[in-house]
Amino acid sequence: EVQLVESGGGLVQPGKSLKISCVASGFTFDHYAMNWVRQVPGKGLEWVSGITWNSNNVDYADSVKGRFTISRDNAQRMLYLQMNSLRIEDTAFYYCAKGPDATGDYFDHWGQGTLVTVS
Amino acid sequence: DIQMTQSPSSVSASVGDRVTITCRASQNLNNWLAWYQQKPGKAPKLLIYAASTLQSGVPSRFSGSGYGTEFTLIISSLQPEDFATYYCQQANAFPYTFGQGTKVDIK
Repeated sequence: EVQLVESGGGLVQPGKSLKISCVASGFTFDHYAMNWVRQVPGKGLEWVSGITWNSNNVDYADSVKGRFTISRDNAQRMLYLQMNSLRIEDTAFYYCAKGPDATGDYFDHWGQGTLVTVS
Repeated sequence: DIQMTQSPSSVSASVGDRVTITCRASQNLNNWLAWYQQKPGKAPKLLIYAASTLQSGVPSRFSGSGYGTEFTLIISSLQPEDFATYYCQQANAFPYTFGQGTKVDIK
């Protein structure tokens, strides 16, 4: 069974940094692209960033480009999102989402989310 | 960025009803479109990808159609567990973008 478990969320002041993590199990992690998708409580979904299986390609939403960095450690089956210069509007649940193949496109499994509050 | 517009934003329906949700894209997606279901307090769940391919384990009362810029999600006979919010997502180009969501609630 595919499982994605996020951690590291919490309360952080504007302008500060936070790194959230996602541990994967139940599938061959280094065969699949991974993504971060966020959701302001009560609002819609926003794709934040994606990374291919080998980390050769990464992409970001314009709203986080230059401030957030996605990375992965295939040996540890971990996905990360380093968030710098946090803004109040970055407050959201952050979901780790697995792609259907090595390069991405859709999100076929999701974690339960970790809440990041910037205040 | 590609803009995704869903309609309606909400719909009230009864068990057994047929529900249709439309998603329009600001650019041609070919068939690079997915549909998700989200229940309160839960993560989204992939229902359909490539516009019309049912994800494994999803009931056959869900179907998707469309190509280019206009897409449709149909629930043929609404069941109690289908009351939720539904989102479309384009996967044609970065940044991936979602529709604003359609809430299906009980009439």
